[in-house]
Amino acid sequence: EIVLTQSPGTLSLSPGERATLSCRASQSVSSSYLAWYQQKPGQAPRLLIYGASSRATGIPDRFSGSGSGTDFTLTISRLEPEDFAVYYCQHYDYSTLFTFGPGTKVDIK
Amino acid sequence: QVQLVQSGAEVKKPGASVKVSCKASGYTFTSYPMQWVRQAPGQRLEWMGWINAGTGDTKYSQKVQGRVTITRDTSASTAYMELSSLRSEDTAVYYCARAAGYSYDPWDYWGQGTLVTVSS
Repeated sequence: EIVLTQSPGTLSLSPGERATLSCRASQSVSSSYLAWYQQKPGQAPRLLIYGASSRATGIPDRFSGSGSGTDFTLTISRLEPEDFAVYYCQHYDYSTLFTFGPGTKVDIK
Repeated sequence: QVQLVQSGAEVKKPGASVKVSCKASGYTFTSYPMQWVRQAPGQRLEWMGWINAGTGDTKYSQKVQGRVTITRDTSASTAYMELSSLRSEDTAVYYCARAAGYSYDPWDYWGQGTLVTVSS
């Protein structure tokens, strides 16, 4: 069973700073099935990145994804006030189907 | 525009069942799979299952298999998730989400969530 871990658990930054979020898989996974979601309090998650590096429709280019194998990264180049939220990585695998990481909370320093 | 509108909050007693609906609009309902996921307070998202809205084929998480049933009514463009034998640990917000094309595709539209509280 593939397990996703995310680090750090919380990232405290100021608007304008760069955020680097990590998602690590317990074994090598296909980047084609690695996605990132943003969730704000009281709201449903929103798709940001799919296929490890492709931005979803309407997502600003300050969001970027990268990685392969077991290590994946979501980068927010310059934090805007609306970017303070929880970010989850998700993976699909034919045996374990969908799994999510525990999330990284990006909060205002 | 694509919208998924879920039914309202529910309070259930242990051992009861709950059925949550997800009404889709703004796209061809039968052309996209519908996923169901839940989020217990302070916890990560947990996938529950999906339905091929065209054929009605389903796939469930091993954790809830046997207690969960996902169905759809194509005439109403609505998907349903029923969870039986409820226990306190089923207390969570339940979401439906549309898969972008195939069942393994990312989830591009989400419902607003339905809080299910299981309490005696």
